[in-house]
Amino acid sequence: EAGVAQSPRYKIIEKRQSVAFWCNPISGHATLYWYQQILGQGPKLLIQFQNNGVVDDSQLPKDRFSAERLKGVDSTLKIQPAKLEDSAVYLCASSLGGTELYEQYFGPGTRLTVT
Amino acid sequence: AQSVTQLDSQVPVFEEAPVELRCNYSSSVSVYLFWYVQYPNQGLQLLLKYLSGSTLVKGINGFEAEFNKSQTSFHLRKPSVHISDTAEYFCAVSFIGGSYIPTFGRGTSLIVHP
Repeated sequence: EAGVAQSPRYKIIEKRQSVAFWCNPISGHATLYWYQQILGQGPKLLIQFQNNGVVDDSQLPKDRFSAERLKGVDSTLKIQPAKLEDSAVYLCASSLGGTELYEQYFGPGTRLTVT
Repeated sequence: AQSVTQLDSQVPVFEEAPVELRCNYSSSVSVYLFWYVQYPNQGLQLLLKYLSGSTLVKGINGFEAEFNKSQTSFHLRKPSVHISDTAEYFCAVSFIGGSYIPTFGRGTSLIVHP
């Protein structure tokens, strides 16, 4: 079974530029999550999708961050414009959903550096 | 308030020594508990989980954890560590009846010295 795929693995941009990250979850997983992991901290949930609908985006800075999951499969997270404090690893995870929401499988992450 | 605390930011040990990584939580509801490991430049991998039943849970790579409800703890242990266990370890708690999405602790960096 293929795992959660993410690209790119690394990205360096200047502040005020825009950037996009891509995630392809495990086949059949209805629920998809984006996390932000700042150096020295645990992952913080940004947004949760159930199929192609948003379940929770309360922690997403909506003035600069956006995410979509068209067709309920892969997903894109965008930052525009980026700030220095956005430097972090962005993790995508997926789960079957329902009573298996807690059983999350993580991708390798995208390390973003904003200069 | 519901929270997860990993008291130790860094735990250095020598190879073949035992190790315990501590995790405490605060919750007014029942919980599911998890430990994840993150190797450098990789995503998180589930080590073990407690959902119900026996409070002693065995996971991959020789790790185990014990759920102590009275002390609201879920400490991770390994009797003999290897160099390859050097990684970041995260405790996570899922609050039953809520969103079920795990809340992560800040992580503990396990550094195994030869």
